Amino acid sequence: DAEITQSPRHKITETGRQVTLACHQTWNHNNMFWYRQDLGHGLRLIHYSYGVQDTNKGEVSDGYSVSRSNTEDLPLTLESAASSQTSVYFCASSSTGTSGGPNTGELFFGEGSRLTVL
Amino acid sequence: AQTVTQSQPEMSVQEAETVTLSCTYDTSESDYYLFWYKQPPSRQMILVIRQEAYKQQNATENRFSVNFQKAAKSFSLKISDSQLGDAAMYFCASRGVYGQNFVFGPGTRLSVLP
Repeated sequence: DAEITQSPRHKITETGRQVTLACHQTWNHNNMFWYRQDLGHGLRLIHYSYGVQDTNKGEVSDGYSVSRSNTEDLPLTLESAASSQTSVYFCASSSTGTSGGPNTGELFFGEGSRLTVL
Repeated sequence: AQTVTQSQPEMSVQEAETVTLSCTYDTSESDYYLFWYKQPPSRQMILVIRQEAYKQQNATENRFSVNFQKAAKSFSLKISDSQLGDAAMYFCASRGVYGQNFVFGPGTRLSVLP
């Protein structure tokens, strides 16, 4: 079965260190997204990609970066981790739909990665 | 811009009873989709139900149904015959038909009392 996997599931790091969260999907979806989940804020969009070599900033992109070198993977990098980046991170993907037609796909989520920055 | 509001941070319901979770939204899109996602303690995000805004008929999925009021921009979720396994965080979300990005509300935590 197709799926979307994240690793690591849990990570503890120190302030100032670089951290990369991996996301791999086998749905062959063009669209991939990174969200962070914090109490009272729901899910907030960090970065997203509509295809290979395409990346875009979301509403809370400061301190984060992504790259999309193939369809399956969208790693999220925290260049210099800060305590404010302690959160649960979700990767998600969705289909584009037929060319020129509407996108009817919902979001498919990974299981989340809990990051603690001390 | 799109916004999604869930005014009930927490709700509770007795097992076997019915509960309704509220959601209002605002969008500049001419056509759009609305979703309810469930997040149990396992943290997994699970799609509960989807509504296409151009369809007047309310979507239903077994014990889950929506009350979609397009003019009022309201999209509430009704859970009938509540079960202990329904206890979770519920998120309302919207997305334009030709857009790719989803906007989520802050969530409603539902407790089911035995």
